[in-house]
Amino acid sequence: DGGITQSPKYLFRKEGQNVTLSCEQNLNHDAMYWYRQDPGQGLRLIYYSQIVNDFQKGDIAEGYSVSREKKESFPLTVTSAQKNPTAFYLCASQSRGGSAGETQYFGPGTRLLVL
Amino acid sequence: EDQVTQSPEALRLQEGESSSLNCSYTVSGLRGLFWYRQDPGKGPEFLFTLYSAGEEKEKERLKATLTKKESFLHITAPKPEDSATYLCAVLSGAAGNKLTFGGGTRVLVKP
Repeated sequence: DGGITQSPKYLFRKEGQNVTLSCEQNLNHDAMYWYRQDPGQGLRLIYYSQIVNDFQKGDIAEGYSVSREKKESFPLTVTSAQKNPTAFYLCASQSRGGSAGETQYFGPGTRLLVL
Repeated sequence: EDQVTQSPEALRLQEGESSSLNCSYTVSGLRGLFWYRQDPGKGPEFLFTLYSAGEEKEKERLKATLTKKESFLHITAPKPEDSATYLCAVLSGAAGNKLTFGGGTRVLVKP
């Protein structure tokens, strides 16, 4: 069953703590993305990766870090430098042409809450 | 810089009452316009991709159309299960492989 998985579904962060959100895909997509969604707002791009071992900052990268050691995995770390981390985090992967064009497909999301 | 504006922000419909959602965009070299449906607490679900002006795509009660400046998502005879937030996004040549999203339209269909 192909798709994108994100874990955990809910995550609680304490003051000064780094937390890592998991994103895995088995769609054989090269490109992967992390977005942040705040209530009533559109999606904002945090980081993206076009290929293994390479990634670029998006529009709101401050306080976040990523790695891309495997094609299937693109974990996001929310560091203590991110002062307002409460949000819904979405991971996506993108096909490159073919019948699906350049469509991005999304995972189910992780809701991060601050204790 | 690419910009996407969706209107209205919210739409309340009676079951069976057809309506349209608007997505206006300004981009440098459109590579694709995407529509997604998002249910509360879930990730966006892909609906359509449109590539060029005049193109139309349909899926059940939904029909998406594209002009050079905007796209419409028409909902024909909606049912309560069509209640969701509908997101529009564009992919442009200037932005590489980055999507620019609009703020979404929240649709509520009452029985």
